[in-house]
Amino acid sequence: QITLRESGPTLVKPTQTLTLTCSFSGFSLTTSGVAVGWIRQPPGEALEWLALIYWDDDTRYSPSLKSRLTITKDTSKNQVVLTMTNMDPVDTATYFCAHRRNDSGGYSWFDPWGQGTLVTVSS
Amino acid sequence: SYELTQPPSVSVSPGQTARITCSGDALPKQFAYWYQQKPGQAPVLLIYKDIERPSGIPERFSGSSSGTTVTLTISGVQAEDEADYYCQSADSSGTYYVFGTGTKVSV
Repeated sequence: QITLRESGPTLVKPTQTLTLTCSFSGFSLTTSGVAVGWIRQPPGEALEWLALIYWDDDTRYSPSLKSRLTITKDTSKNQVVLTMTNMDPVDTATYFCAHRRNDSGGYSWFDPWGQGTLVTVSS
Repeated sequence: SYELTQPPSVSVSPGQTARITCSGDALPKQFAYWYQQKPGQAPVLLIYKDIERPSGIPERFSGSSSGTTVTLTISGVQAEDEADYYCQSADSSGTYYVFGTGTKVSV
């Protein structure tokens, strides 16, 4: 059974850097094809994909946020870390991490998801 | 940037059929995926690769695709189906993930 759980600060000040950790179990990020992604959702708004890290350290970022995001992994701890710089009140959102499933055709989707963690940006 | 467009809301009576559309230029090239999200909860996968249903998902949920539009159909809607629904796909190159604007289904 795959599970993921997000952790990090609930409140950050504008201009600060946010660091979130996704702790997972039930799979290994050393296995070929495996990946973990981050998705966020501002209150009352839609989901927005942020970043993805593959088993081989390859990364993908949302083009609109690429300059502010860094995603890394610690396979020994079964963790994925997302950092977002220069936080602004508009970045207030619930941040989810999710396991990326894929098939032999290279198609992929997110399943399952962590419960999410609400981050508020305010001075 | 690439966008997937959904209707903001759909209202349906119990037992009726709800259809939620998702439109995007790259959908003829990329599969679509559907998620259900209830208040305060994480999204749950309902449909993958346009039409496939994961184990444990009720048969009343089905997906279809035609050109630049994919559709999630909920047949025999139940009160418990009241939730937000999101489509997800990728850009034409398959590099970036994109979520739809979301549809609130009211029963």
